[in-house]
Amino acid sequence: GEDVEQSLFLSVREGDSSVINCTYTDSSSTYLYWYKQEPGAGLQLLTYIFSNMDMKQDQRLTVLLNKKDKHLSLRIADTQTGDSAIYFCAESKAGGYNKLIFGAGTRLAVHP
Amino acid sequence: NAGVMQNPRHLVRRRGQEARLRCSPMKGHSHVYWYRQLPEEGLKFMVYLQKENIIDESGMPKERFSAEFPKEGPSILRIQQVVRGDSAAYFCASSSGSENYGYTFGSGTRLTVV
Repeated sequence: GEDVEQSLFLSVREGDSSVINCTYTDSSSTYLYWYKQEPGAGLQLLTYIFSNMDMKQDQRLTVLLNKKDKHLSLRIADTQTGDSAIYFCAESKAGGYNKLIFGAGTRLAVHP
Repeated sequence: NAGVMQNPRHLVRRRGQEARLRCSPMKGHSHVYWYRQLPEEGLKFMVYLQKENIIDESGMPKERFSAEFPKEGPSILRIQQVVRGDSAAYFCASSSGSENYGYTFGSGTRLTVV
């Protein structure tokens, strides 16, 4: 089956690191994504990772993938107030086309 | 190079009316996807279209909903006889079909049924 789960809320202090977690159930998922949604806006692709990778780093963002446990995390270093948004984890399979399965999103609140 | 353009941004309809949501894909993209986001939920896949063809409509409700992507013009998501439960944000995304790293979303149309 296909199911993606995330914790719903995370609150961090400005300057700290944020870690947003996600679990998925479909072991055949090939690509995993993190999207960011600001209030009233569409989804912005932040980063993605191929399932044969363990880690991907892109500036302040680090993605860790534990394929055995089907666990994905997004770490944001030096979190800023502009990082406050909803973060969605999503999975898809290679071949055919990219039908994305999304989690319900984690609302990140950054406070001074 | 404009991104994925959706209009209108906000749409208010009375129960029983029709809603038409438009999506213009990015230049050079011939694949369009529609997703629906209910309040406090993630996005749910509705339909995938290529020019003049519906490829996968497994996420579309069986009644009242239809989608098209004509040879010329934008993709249209049509909801007939809207009900309050149709109130949601509807997002369109497009791709060239060759990417495996996600695709570009529009800003969405927020439909409110009163």
